[in-house]
Amino acid sequence: DGGITQSPKYLFRKEGQNVTLSCEQNLNHDAMYWYRQDPGQGLRLIYYSQIVNDFQKGDIAEGYSVSREKKESFPLTVTSAQKNPTAFYLCASMAMGEPVEAFFGQGTRLTVV
Amino acid sequence: AQSVTQLDSQVPVFEEAPVELRCNYSSSVSVYLFWYVQYPNQGLQLLLKYLSGSTLVKGINGFEAEFNKSQTSFHLRKPSVHISDTAEYFCGGTASKLTFGTGTRLQVTL
Repeated sequence: DGGITQSPKYLFRKEGQNVTLSCEQNLNHDAMYWYRQDPGQGLRLIYYSQIVNDFQKGDIAEGYSVSREKKESFPLTVTSAQKNPTAFYLCASMAMGEPVEAFFGQGTRLTVV
Repeated sequence: AQSVTQLDSQVPVFEEAPVELRCNYSSSVSVYLFWYVQYPNQGLQLLLKYLSGSTLVKGINGFEAEFNKSQTSFHLRKPSVHISDTAEYFCGGTASKLTFGTGTRLQVTL
């Protein structure tokens, strides 16, 4: 079945550590996105990529990094520079041509301990 | 800059009553518009989308939305809500990138 998969579902990190969240899609979508969700703040765009080996900063990119070496994969690294990383992270992919639709993963809940 | 604005952070409504969740978009974001629903600790599920054509769009679970270019709005409606409609709803749009509003919490009570 086609879809988009995020792993892990829950992740715990010690302060000062980097951690990488996985996002994989087999929908052959060109565009992929990372969002951060906090209560009352909606979905804030961290990074997005519309083509392999290229990505753009979103509204809250500081403290995060990404790579897009393969069309199917768009991992997000939360670095130690991110001062408040505890949040729910959502990955999405989207076809750039018709039919236009974005699919979301089930999310990763990151908690700093 | 692209922007999507959801005008209500919370909407309480009784079961079987009609509901409207409001969404406005900036002209720079309008190419395609979406409404998504999110249940607790889950990803987002597409309710409906406007790409072109008829301004009244019908989606899943009895929801519909009307694209109004003159008012730059894309409000979501349902004529009779059910307890199971309690969730967070997000309006989104894309021109060069996919952006969302801050969400509306729909709370349906008996």
